[in-house]
Amino acid sequence: NAGVTQTPKFQVLKTGQSMTLQCAQDMNHEYMSWYRQDPGMGLRLIHYSVGAGITDQGEVPNGYNVSRSTTEDFPLRLLSAAPSQTSVYFCASSKIQGRGDGYTFGSGTRLTVV
Amino acid sequence: SQQGEEDPQALSIQEGENATMNCSYKTSINNLQWYRQNSGRGLVHLILIRSNEREKHSGRLRVTLDTSKKSSSLLITASRAADTASYFCATDTNAGKSTFGDGTTLTVKP
Repeated sequence: NAGVTQTPKFQVLKTGQSMTLQCAQDMNHEYMSWYRQDPGMGLRLIHYSVGAGITDQGEVPNGYNVSRSTTEDFPLRLLSAAPSQTSVYFCASSKIQGRGDGYTFGSGTRLTVV
Repeated sequence: SQQGEEDPQALSIQEGENATMNCSYKTSINNLQWYRQNSGRGLVHLILIRSNEREKHSGRLRVTLDTSKKSSSLLITASRAADTASYFCATDTNAGKSTFGDGTTLTVKP
């Protein structure tokens, strides 16, 4: 099992560019989520999904879109990159959220917007 | 605002000593989890305690939960240099969201 795979690991964008961060899991997990982590801080929830075809907003959704067309994939799209979106992005999944399952995290995507 | 807040922000101890870090939260929860993050890496799940449990053990880890005070503590016994990392608590609520605190940075000196 690969677990949660995030690509790319590093990315530099210019202000105004768009891009998609990829997240895939092979554990048949229903719940997937995206977090951002700024230096010295905890994780803030961007968007989450409780199953294919269902997504919802987290604490900091502005500037990001998600979709969940399959159970395995949960891409995060930056619509028009801004320097404030410079951060490390983590994707996480669990079998069923809130039912006592811990989250499996990807290794992160370090994004710099210049 | 963050649901979970860890205390202290930073902790430095000698190898062999015990490390205790605390987490406070604001709303009712289904469960509370603790994670470890080594520098530059993703988070690793350590232990989960449900809202109807008061204490849980896993190896050198001991977690307590006091729902009346909305707080939890993580105790690492006989710490090792390899325990140096940041530790985060996360809370799951009925709303379907999981929120993390800002973490406690633990340094274990050899």
